[in-house]
Amino acid sequence: SAVISQKPSRDICQRGTSLTIQCQVDSQVTMMFWYRQQPGQSLTLIATANQGSEATYESGFVIDKFPISRPNLTFSTLTVSNMSPEDSSIYLCSVRQGRYEQYFGPGTRLTVT
Amino acid sequence: QKEVEQNSGPLSVPEGAIASLNCTYSDRGSQSFFWYRQYSGKSPELIMSIYSNGDKEDGRFTAQLNKASQYVSLLIRDSQPSDSATYLCAVTGYNNNDMRFGAGTRLTVKP
Repeated sequence: SAVISQKPSRDICQRGTSLTIQCQVDSQVTMMFWYRQQPGQSLTLIATANQGSEATYESGFVIDKFPISRPNLTFSTLTVSNMSPEDSSIYLCSVRQGRYEQYFGPGTRLTVT
Repeated sequence: QKEVEQNSGPLSVPEGAIASLNCTYSDRGSQSFFWYRQYSGKSPELIMSIYSNGDKEDGRFTAQLNKASQYVSLLIRDSQPSDSATYLCAVTGYNNNDMRFGAGTRLTVKP
């Protein structure tokens, strides 16, 4: 499976600021996904990011709050904008490989104060 | 009704026993089914995928799928303390583009 890295691994941010999370893959992948995992909870899909097209957002997530870039087949960014404490979570990037399997990066732990 | 439902546990089994993890899903059009293992503080790790009815075995793990009953399970044979983790069931919809996760079952294997 692909090797996926994320930056930063963790951050503490102030309310009202923005943070951009980077996801780098060691091989070209068509489909990338961004998930959120809040403390003690399961994963929630934020959006699907395919190279060359606009990201597709799930219900409850909007582009103004979570803008996504996908400039090439190995890289994507997720920005968490105008943060509030409710955005404190682990953000995970995932890629599809094989038939429909998905593999996850190590995650970015975000705390908003 | 949640899309993917799992018993949250905790499920506790003695070392060497069989651990049985269950998952039901609500979308009858679901196409693909997965089990992930997540250790505390780590990201999910894919352990099994299953696409058609029946059993699929990989080492100590067996996934079972019954689409008519909308049910997927994971059996772990000869459970080891290192299997102690949260197990997440995941399901994709008709287009396979949206993977939805259950809340996870926390498994503890006691030496």
